[in-house]
Amino acid sequence: GQQLNQSPQSMFIQEGEDVSMNCTSSSIFNTWLWYKQEPGEGPVLLIALYKAGELTSNGRLTAQFGITRKDSFLNISASIPSDVGIYFCAGRRLGTSYGKLTFGQGTILTVHP
Amino acid sequence: NAGVTQTPKFQVLKTGQSMTLQCAQDMNHNSMYWYRQDPGMGLRLIYYSASEGTTDKGEVPNGYNVSRLNKREFSLRLESAAPSQTSVYFCASTGETYEQYFGPGTRLTVT
Repeated sequence: GQQLNQSPQSMFIQEGEDVSMNCTSSSIFNTWLWYKQEPGEGPVLLIALYKAGELTSNGRLTAQFGITRKDSFLNISASIPSDVGIYFCAGRRLGTSYGKLTFGQGTILTVHP
Repeated sequence: NAGVTQTPKFQVLKTGQSMTLQCAQDMNHNSMYWYRQDPGMGLRLIYYSASEGTTDKGEVPNGYNVSRLNKREFSLRLESAAPSQTSVYFCASTGETYEQYFGPGTRLTVT
């Protein structure tokens, strides 16, 4: 099935650094969602975006719905060790029925103390 | 609110055995989903149920069946397990806002 192009695939950063990741597609999306998954757990919803240009924050996390509606961005400021995990983007494509989502492959984040 | 719950958390099956994975949500969501997650493949949709009484195939439905028992519960059945079905299985549900919430997963190994 179609996947979103999520980058980078992995990041190794020092505690305190800022992190940026993004998802892109050739299709238009109505909804963008960002999830975090820790080892042995299910994905946990971090931020939901519904309008082009929308910028939404959740603590140190900020996500944006791209103006073209074909991309989305997630930033984490002042990273801490507990930010470690896999971050997934997911989107609901224009014309998709019900809540069916398209997922990115994930960005593996490692934070060194 | 427990959100989305799944049982069992772990399971080991022999090839050819059958089992049912259970999922329940207490958020009064209409839509429910079953995914499998494999390394390098991301999350792939197996089946979904847009509302109580309806089910539809997703991206990888072969070898699986589902039942939407009521609005809360959506089960996934493997009739004759194969090693290719070794995976982590997630159930999810969605309300009117399209925010999808996941369960903790079932880790299945088929030997």
